[in-house]
Amino acid sequence: GAVVSQHPSWVICKSGTSVKIECRSLDFQATTMFWYRQFPKQSLMLMATSNEGSKATYEQGVEKDKFLINHASLTLSTLTVTSAHPEDSSFYICSAPTGLGGQNEQYFGPGTRLTVT
Amino acid sequence: AQSVAQPEDQVNVAEGNPLTVKCTYSVSGNPYLFWYVQYPNRGLQFLLKYITGDNLVKGSYGFEAEFNKSQTSFHLKKPSALVSDSALYFCAVRDTGYSTLTFGKGTMLLVSP
Repeated sequence: GAVVSQHPSWVICKSGTSVKIECRSLDFQATTMFWYRQFPKQSLMLMATSNEGSKATYEQGVEKDKFLINHASLTLSTLTVTSAHPEDSSFYICSAPTGLGGQNEQYFGPGTRLTVT
Repeated sequence: AQSVAQPEDQVNVAEGNPLTVKCTYSVSGNPYLFWYVQYPNRGLQFLLKYITGDNLVKGSYGFEAEFNKSQTSFHLKKPSALVSDSALYFCAVRDTGYSTLTFGKGTMLLVSP
């Protein structure tokens, strides 16, 4: 099946610094990628939809200036958490659909555990 | 609007017994339904999906799910549980015309030896 990778798998940073998380589709092209946030023992919360060559679409309540998304190519999307604070500590997961159309499943990256101290 | 409900936070079953993880959904159009599994500190793995056609869908690792339109349900089932099936299971729905998935809150499946 399709493979999506994320890097890094975990990161610890100090409050006030910025952290970049990469999401790559390894064996397919993805014009769209999704970024989720997951708190312990909770469901996935969609943060934004990353669109190759255009601006990301953010869900209501997600600060676009804090969570910068760039979809530079058909295989790479990045999420930058700017001026991170302890409340940003979470598990961040990206995904990409295998094709256009709602019937296509999404393939998920392994996730990135962010801890802000 | 689209929504998914997983009424059970946790399901406990003994190894070798059948298991069911429940899911109900709400959409305005026709649903595309998915089941994913998540192991600790990992991303989600796709198990199976219902798009159209046969109501009984077979997926990975021996799992299957039955689409029931009248009850707006899509319960996940397996005839004989394994300890290795212990994980967090998510049901998800996408309404026709929507671009994003909506996930249920997840159900923790614990299979005891």
